[in-house]
Amino acid sequence: DAGVIQSPRHEVTEMGQEVTLRCKPISGHNSLFWYRQTMMRGLELLIYFNNNVPIDDSGMPEDRFSAKMPNASFSTLKIQPSEPRDSAVYFCASSSTTVTDTQYFGPGTRLTVL
Amino acid sequence: GENVEQHPSTLSVQEGDSAVIKCTYSDSASNYFPWYKQELGKRPQLIIDIRSNVGEKKDQRIAVTLNKTAKHFSLHITETQPEDSAVYFCAASRYKYIFGTGTRLKVLA
Repeated sequence: DAGVIQSPRHEVTEMGQEVTLRCKPISGHNSLFWYRQTMMRGLELLIYFNNNVPIDDSGMPEDRFSAKMPNASFSTLKIQPSEPRDSAVYFCASSSTTVTDTQYFGPGTRLTVL
Repeated sequence: GENVEQHPSTLSVQEGDSAVIKCTYSDSASNYFPWYKQELGKRPQLIIDIRSNVGEKKDQRIAVTLNKTAKHFSLHITETQPEDSAVYFCAASRYKYIFGTGTRLKVLA
């Protein structure tokens, strides 16, 4: 099993640019989560999907952030326009059936907004 | 809202000693409590978990205890080794994970 796959692993962009982060969950997993990790705020849940449907997006910081899951094997997190305070490591995680099952994290995308 | 408090924020122990990290959660309906280890520059990885119908679980040198009445749960690492040095996160879950703020453990050789 390849585990959760994220791309790109590193992204450096300039303020105002659009950024798209991608995630492929573990095959057969029905729940997908996007987290943001910073030194100041720790690990924050941004949004999670169950069976491709967004269930809770209360952690999405503002309208500049959006997430989609068009099918069971792919999700995107988009930031438009990006700002320096968006610099962080963004993790995608997936779990098998319910949100109380073990979540497996991807390697993360380190985003730097200049 | 729901929150999880984790203490201490940093912990240094001598190799071979034990380490204990404690978490307190606010949502009494939480029913799943995982612990993750994160090495520098790496992803969080599950090391042990416990469900609300169990009071204690052990896996080799690692154990977790849960006190539902007090809404406390703790991670115990015995015979610590340098490779145990990392940041450890607890989480409490009812329908989504609420993570603690992390404990940076340093095992001194």
